[in-house]
Amino acid sequence: SQQGEEDPQALSIQEGENATMNCSYKTSINNLQWYRQNSGRGLVHLILIRSNEREKHSGRLRVTLDTSKKSSSLLITASRAADTASYFCATDARAGGTSYGKLTFGQGTILTVHP
Amino acid sequence: DVKVTQSSRYLVKRTGEKVFLECVQDMDHENMFWYRQDPGLGLRLIYFSYDVKMKEKGDIPEGYSVSREKKERFSLILESASTNQTSMYLCASSLWGLAGKQTQYFGPGTRLLVL
Repeated sequence: SQQGEEDPQALSIQEGENATMNCSYKTSINNLQWYRQNSGRGLVHLILIRSNEREKHSGRLRVTLDTSKKSSSLLITASRAADTASYFCATDARAGGTSYGKLTFGQGTILTVHP
Repeated sequence: DVKVTQSSRYLVKRTGEKVFLECVQDMDHENMFWYRQDPGLGLRLIYFSYDVKMKEKGDIPEGYSVSREKKERFSLILESASTNQTSMYLCASSLWGLAGKQTQYFGPGTRLLVL
């Protein structure tokens, strides 16, 4: 079952603007990850934030996590045309025993950055 | 550099054919996963494997089977292909470890068309 839900489904911006994508989930998690997918390709891991972290940065990426609201946001600053892609959040359910690394992916946000 | 390869980028098959999708990873990862990706539905887990010869059903295993005879190779089998199995198939792998810390590495995907 899909746990992560991204919002908005699609986002269109101009180069240089910031892009913010949101993700909501339902159950307690160990961590939340963001992935990127260029058109017709596999997913690439961007960043992981643990459940005890509130904010994390990686280059032009900033991720926040609010476990009380079960939500996360991905901010891409100073966007470029090359950032055009689909972005997915993925969560692992916190549960007893091992999860075998299973992740539940949301439906994704399609980001288009116009030159 | 980590690498996950899939046997075909594009595949066209006829209804009723037996279809094999192969995935190979060179990272010595314990966990391997098969997803299908459809517009509006995101990524859905078909099967995963956490060790050689071990397999677990995901969210949508019906109509599929898998094989993991060697650690580096995970095969997805469509016993009798049907048109509703037309989709993008993505393979991924990750390390065994503490729950919630495994990043998944994806192959480029196989776009399967069943006529």
